[in-house]
Parts: sequence; structure tokens; C-alpha cells
Amino acid sequence: EAQVTQNPRYLITVTGKKLTVTCSQNMNHEYMSWYRQDPGLGLRQIYYSMNVEVTDKGDVPEGYKVSRKEKRNFPLILESPSPNQTSLYFCASSRRGAWDAFFGQGTRLTVV
Amino acid sequence: GQQLNQSPQSMFIQEGEDVSMNCTSSSIFNTWLWYKQDPGEGPVLLIALYKAGELTSNGRLTAQFGITRKDSFLNISASIPSDVGIYFCAGPSFPTSGTYKYIFGTGTRLKVLA
Repeated sequence: EAQVTQNPRYLITVTGKKLTVTCSQNMNHEYMSWYRQDPGLGLRQIYYSMNVEVTDKGDVPEGYKVSRKEKRNFPLILESPSPNQTSLYFCASSRRGAWDAFFGQGTRLTVV
Repeated sequence: GQQLNQSPQSMFIQEGEDVSMNCTSSSIFNTWLWYKQDPGEGPVLLIALYKAGELTSNGRLTAQFGITRKDSFLNISASIPSDVGIYFCAGPSFPTSGTYKYIFGTGTRLKVLA
């Protein structure tokens, strides 16, 4: 089954404790991206990757890192999480140039 | 940067009613996308529009690409309870040659009363 898998689905952590949210897709898609969803603000792109070893900043990259060492994986790293990073996070993938992005089920992160 | 504003922000409707929502941009888009997010899930693509003036249907859903290329509209006919969710418009932006990113709207939350 074609899918984008994020882990964990829920995470509560403390300020400053490094964490990684994993994202994996099994569709051989070149394009992968991370979003955060906040009430009233919609979905905002954090980082995106056009292919392996190619990553670019989206609209809200501050406080986040990503890496794309393999085509299927695109982890999101929060080196020092802060409460303003409490949000619902989505990973998505698509074929390069195809606009139908496939989204994961989301990771709800709470930073206290 | 580019922004997409959706209206209404939320709406309650009775089952069987038609629904209209729109998305406006301060700049031109060459592609418009409409996604739906069910509660507890990630967004799923409903309709993609590629040409100004284009009208495309997907079952009870109809979307239009505005002729100014700065807006798009989504209509749902004869709403049913499973239409509940958040509807997002989106479009690609091209910050540099060979790269693109997605801009999503603020969303319209739809609640259907049986």
C-alpha cells in the first residue's frame, strides 16, 4: 500500500530536549516536505527536499533541521524544542512536478 | 511572501445544502489545488486546476480556477455528514529556478448538521 509513515504520532517533551520525527515513503517520490499546522494559520511549509541531499527552507524553518540521505526518508529534527513549536506536524511526498502530494497521518507535538 | 486567504473560516450547514468557499491570493498562481483534511488525518487532494477559467468536477465537488489567476472557488453540492473537515486551497511557488514549494491557505472548516 502506498503510504507516508510518520513516527511518533504523539509526543510530549520538555524544552531543550532534542527530538527527531521520522518520515518514510514507499512510493519512490523525489519531493518530500514538512509542514506545521496551527489553528487559523493553515499549513505552513517548514522544509522541502527536491531529491536526495537537496533540501531548502520553506516559510517557517527557524528552529528545525532536516536531512535527506536516502530517497525514502526525510526526518525532522528539533535540536532545542521550545513551547512555540507545539503544533501538529505533517510530512508529505510527491513525484517531482506532480502536484498531488501524499500526506502522513501527522505528529502532534507538545513542548512543555 | 505569498499568502492564500480562504473564506469563510468556518461554516455550519444543514445536510443537503450546497456549500461555497473561496481562496484568494495577492499574486498569480499557475496551478490551484484543493485538499480536504478529515478529522485526525492528513490532507488528501480533491481537485487540481491548471488553466485560468478551468472548471473541474469530482463527484459532488466542483472547483474553478479564477480568470485573474489570483483566486479559486470550491463548491460542494448536496452536502452529507462525511463532508465535515477542513478544506485547504494550495498552489506551488517557485522561489528559484528548478525548485518549488507549496503555499497552503488558512483553511475552511466545514461542519454538517444532520
